[in-house]
Amino acid sequence: GAVVSQHPSRVICKSGTSVKIECRSLDFQATTMFWYRQFPKQSLMLMATSNEGSKATYEQGVEKDKFLINHASLTLSTLTVTSAHPEDSSFYICSANSGGPVDTQYFGPGTRLTVL
Amino acid sequence: AQSVSQHNHHVILSEAASLELGCNYSYGGTVNLFWYVQYPGQHLQLLLKYFSGDPLVKGIKGFEAEFIKSKFSFNLRKPSVQWSDTAEYFCAVTRGTGRRALTFGSGTRLQVQP
Repeated sequence: GAVVSQHPSRVICKSGTSVKIECRSLDFQATTMFWYRQFPKQSLMLMATSNEGSKATYEQGVEKDKFLINHASLTLSTLTVTSAHPEDSSFYICSANSGGPVDTQYFGPGTRLTVL
Repeated sequence: AQSVSQHNHHVILSEAASLELGCNYSYGGTVNLFWYVQYPGQHLQLLLKYFSGDPLVKGIKGFEAEFIKSKFSFNLRKPSVQWSDTAEYFCAVTRGTGRRALTFGSGTRLQVQP
């Protein structure tokens, strides 16, 4: 089946630093990937849609200059949290479409970000 | 705006009990419906999905869901739960066709007691 990986799985950083999270589709090509954020005991909230070769589409309220998304290849999208603050601490999850006729998204294992 | 509602936030069952988790959505057009499961410490996994056709969908691990268009519902069921079904369950929806992002419900935590 379709496999999506994320790296790192956990990261702890100091306030003000930047953190890059990678999302890879391992056995399929993904022209579209999605980035979600999950707060403790809450549901997933879409942050942005990452499109290969073009600019990402951000949801309302998500700062594009703070959450930089790059989708340079058909198997890799990156999310960079710039100048991280403690309120950015969260669980970041990516997903990618498997390429079927309609949406079937496969999720990465997530990245736990803790900003001190 | 499109929304997905899961009314059961926390469900506790004994093994062998039957399960039904509610899911309602607000969008009136064409929708694609999903149930995902998140086991403790693991990532989201697809349980089942509905795009079109037979409204009764069978998924993995003995789960099924029924799409009732008139009720805007897509409830998840399992006749007999196991301790290993303890997890968080999310209902999700996409609209129309194409590669669209999922809108998730708030999730239901299922705890199965041995």
